[in-house]
Amino acid sequence: SQQGEEDPQALSIQEGENATMNCSYKTSINNLQWYRQNSGRGLVHLILIRSNEREKHSGRLRVTLDTSKKSSSLLITASRAADTASYFCATDGSGGYNKLIFGAGTRLAVHP
Amino acid sequence: DTAVSQTPKYLVTQMGNDKSIKCEQNLGHDTMYWYKQDSKKFLKIMFSYNNKELIINETVPNRFSPKSPDKAHLNLHINSLELGDSAVYFCASSYQGGPRSYEQYFGPGTRLTVT
Repeated sequence: SQQGEEDPQALSIQEGENATMNCSYKTSINNLQWYRQNSGRGLVHLILIRSNEREKHSGRLRVTLDTSKKSSSLLITASRAADTASYFCATDGSGGYNKLIFGAGTRLAVHP
Repeated sequence: DTAVSQTPKYLVTQMGNDKSIKCEQNLGHDTMYWYKQDSKKFLKIMFSYNNKELIINETVPNRFSPKSPDKAHLNLHINSLELGDSAVYFCASSYQGGPRSYEQYFGPGTRLTVT
């Protein structure tokens, strides 16, 4: 079964607005990652947050992690049309060997 | 420079056929993966190899057989294709250990359509 659930499933905003996506997971983790997938392309790693971290920033990205609620959020500030993509969270679970378990993804559409 | 490449990009075939998908990475990684993404965009790991050794083998029909001739290549052979095998298959690679071991690099995907 899928490890995580993301919401919303789809998000439509205007350029310049902020986009927030949420992810929930079920088991304990060592770290949580966010990936982006442009239409018809492979996934690209965006950012990782470790289980002992609560917040992390990278450029226009801000990730939070609440291990007590088993949830994470990805905030994209000042969105651009080029941010249009699907965004997935992935947890490493307890299987080791970099076994990533992906959520269902949020489809983000940023309109010019 | 292509980091993780897959061939073919599109594959259309009939039920019952046998087909292979090839993957190569030039990143010097020691671990490679196969993922399946279904029509609802769910992405699920199938297999992983570390230095040619199988380390992750999820509940996948034994019609799927991965082969890793060396640590830069991981191929996926599928026997007796079924309609439900239609999906996008992604290859990925990473380091097994070290500070960057968590980051996986994905290929562009192979869209398999079984008719």
